Amino acid sequence: DGGITQSPKYLFRKEGQNVTLSCEQNLNHDAMYWYRQDPGQGLRLIYYSQIVNDFQKGDIAEGYSVSREKKESFPLTVTSAQKNPTAFYLCASSMIRTDYNEQFFGPGTRLTVL
Amino acid sequence: GQNIDQPTEMTATEGAIVQINCTYQTSGFNGLFWYQQHAGEAPTFLSYNVLDGLEEKGRFSSFLSRSKGYSYLLLKELQMKDSASYLCAVMDSNYQLIWGAGTKLIIKP
Repeated sequence: DGGITQSPKYLFRKEGQNVTLSCEQNLNHDAMYWYRQDPGQGLRLIYYSQIVNDFQKGDIAEGYSVSREKKESFPLTVTSAQKNPTAFYLCASSMIRTDYNEQFFGPGTRLTVL
Repeated sequence: GQNIDQPTEMTATEGAIVQINCTYQTSGFNGLFWYQQHAGEAPTFLSYNVLDGLEEKGRFSSFLSRSKGYSYLLLKELQMKDSASYLCAVMDSNYQLIWGAGTKLIIKP
């Protein structure tokens, strides 16, 4: 089955530690995205990538880093510089088209920093 | 700036009809999406509108008026499983999705 996987589903970390969230897709999509979702708020874009070895900052990139070494994978690192990292993190992917760009989402990772 | 507005919460009765509105102001417009998100889960695609008018898909319909910067999602014959958040998202001139905060729909028996 084609889809997007994220792991783990729940993640706990101590304050000051870096943590990496995994995202893998086998949909052969060129574009991948990382969003953060906080209670009562919409999805906010952290980073996105449209091609291997290239990525762009979204609206809230500070305190996060990404890599795109393979088309299928787009891991997100939450660094100790992120002041309020506890949130629900969603990874998505899409084709790159100019007429229709439905994004497909992974199941999400809920990160809690203690 | 870019802005998408939706009601925060709505309540409806099982078997009834509910309309969830979305108004937007974005830099360019390349389509509007509606997604459904159950609590703690990923959003799933419901509909896409790029031309004015109504798109019907089973119990769900979505309407767009580009001149008014307005869309609505219409849910008919409501079922308890329709209790979820409904997210409106607009694709801007850079083909990036701008998301509303979502409308939490509560269905009562």
